[in-house]
This record gives sequence, C-alpha cells and structure tokens, in this order.
Amino acid sequence: SQKIEQNSEALNIQEGKTATLTCNYTNYSPAYLQWYRQDPGRGPVFLLLIRENEKEKRKERLKVTFDTTLKQSLFHITASQPADSATYLCALDYSGAGSYQLTFGKGTKLSVIP
Amino acid sequence: DGGITQSPKYLFRKEGQNVTLSCEQNLNHDAMYWYRQDPGQGLRLIYYSQIVNDFQKGDIAEGYSVSREKKESFPLTVTSAQKNPTAFYLCASDRGQGAEKLFFGSGTQLSVL
Repeated sequence: SQKIEQNSEALNIQEGKTATLTCNYTNYSPAYLQWYRQDPGRGPVFLLLIRENEKEKRKERLKVTFDTTLKQSLFHITASQPADSATYLCALDYSGAGSYQLTFGKGTKLSVIP
Repeated sequence: DGGITQSPKYLFRKEGQNVTLSCEQNLNHDAMYWYRQDPGQGLRLIYYSQIVNDFQKGDIAEGYSVSREKKESFPLTVTSAQKNPTAFYLCASDRGQGAEKLFFGSGTQLSVL
C-alpha cells in the first residue's frame, strides 16, 4: 500500500525565518500532491496543489516543490509569522481519480516564535 | 458565504447509543466525504458519496452509516457497533470527478461518556 510520511511531528522556527516542511512518499509518484493548513479544532484549509510534472509552485509567501527522484515534496513558508503557526497536512492522489483516493499524512505542527 | 456547516461542534455518546452528525453544504458540490481524525494519525475516510442516493464505504466504514437524500446534506450516524468512537469528525465536499481540492467543515468532536 502507498505510504506518506511527514517526517517532523513538530517544527519550531523563529519569526522571519523560512519554515521548510517535508512530505515523503513510497512507491510510484502520485498524480498530484496537496498541502492543507489546519488550525486547532478546525477543518483543514486547502493551500496549494502540485502535479507530477511540475517542479515548483508558488503562492504569495508559500512555495511547494516536487522531486520525483527523491519521492519528496517540500513546503516552504518564507518570512514566517506567528500567524503561520498551525498544523500542515500533505495529501497524495496516486490515480487522479478523485478525492476519495487521497492519502493524508499525519501533519507537521509548526510553531513560529516571535 | 458558501461553505460547509457541521453540527454540533461537540457531541457526547452514551454506551449503546447511536448518534448522528450533521453536514450541510451550499457550494453546489456533487461529492461529499466523511473523515475521522485521531491524534497522531492522518485523516481516514469513512464514507463518501459522489451523487445523490449513492454512497460508498471508505477505509474504516465499520460501525458507521450514512445517507445522501439531498445534494446538500450528508449526515453520518455513529452506531453502537463502533466501539472506539472518540475522535474529531470532518465532513468535506468537492465538485466530484476531476476535483483537485477538498473543502472541509469545522468538525465535530465526539466523546464517549
């Protein structure tokens, strides 16, 4: 079965620095990979999607990369702020058939320290 | 504003009791989903529905039931057969085939008394 690992349960970073979160997967490359933000007691909110044939996507202070050789996606938040503190989830769809095929990682809890 | 509404926010279940979690969306989405979230685990799919009057089991359907009588509504019943129901339950929706992002509700925390 396909596995997905977010290899840090928690990450502490100082305000203004770049936060880098990692998502690793096994076996073959997914059709696409998504990143979500989840605040305590709330549902996840979609942030970015990157497809198998894309190497990088950007949205404001967010950047996602996709390395099919390393079987890894990196999620970067530049100029991090305390308001960026949350849990970030990655999710993979291997078939591209639809959301019912998504596999979610356990999440990385990011804390941005003022 | 369009979105997904889950209720209640907190729910308590007694031994042997069935409880129903509500999920309503006004996004005109065809597909709806129920996930369970436990501490230290990824989201796990319970049931999903891609069209009214049709639904399929996800990875952990045992002890749960759903219905999809209206496009906007996808209630989840946690039955007494679910022996470990304490978790955070998330409802989600998307436009169905080809959709590339999920929209989530704010969740229901279910606890056992």
